[in-house]
Amino acid sequence: QQPVQSPQAVILREGEDAVINCSSSKALYSVHWYRQKHGEAPVFLMILLKGGEQKGHEKISASFNEKKQQSSLYLTASQLSYSGTYFCGTEISFSGNTPLVFGKGTRLSVIA
Amino acid sequence: ETGVTQSPTHLIKTRGQQVTLRCSSQSGHNTVSWYQQALGQGPQFIFQYYREEENGRGNFPPRFSGLQFPNYSSELNVNALELDDSALYLCASSPRQGRGGYTFGSGTRLTVV
Repeated sequence: QQPVQSPQAVILREGEDAVINCSSSKALYSVHWYRQKHGEAPVFLMILLKGGEQKGHEKISASFNEKKQQSSLYLTASQLSYSGTYFCGTEISFSGNTPLVFGKGTRLSVIA
Repeated sequence: ETGVTQSPTHLIKTRGQQVTLRCSSQSGHNTVSWYQQALGQGPQFIFQYYREEENGRGNFPPRFSGLQFPNYSSELNVNALELDDSALYLCASSPRQGRGGYTFGSGTRLTVV
């Protein structure tokens, strides 16, 4: 049930773009995205509900393809502050008793 | 608006001992979830509490147990500690499931020796 993230790691120079993918073998109700910096707690970025919507958060946006059970996180014009590990979390139901399950993460390093 | 507070921040225990970790949820959040995060891995779901009842459990043995109190704060208890229990334990609070993002605490770093 754990979602699969790709790539596992990516290195960018400031100003470059990146895409992080998250896919599930199960039908999803929602996809969450979080960023965790070393030694800190994960920080919520955004949530996407089934319906194929796209959301944005400054220069970070995401999409959710309900048919493919896949979500992508887009980071444009990356900044040094974007460095960290990005996790997607998935929920398979709105019923209230299914957990938010996280992928193994994608480590993003932005260099000057 | 207060965030999620966890205590203690660090803890060293001996194998076989018991430990209690505490979490205060964010104001307005009534659901608390506990996760175990090993180094370099994603958070692994332990269990979730909603209105003082366990509302879902991951693949963890019964020696992992918890409580949620009327003020929505929560405890995680681990009995008979094993070396593999060494990890970062994260508490996250949220509005009722499916209605918003999770707010994580800074975690408790547990080391079992």
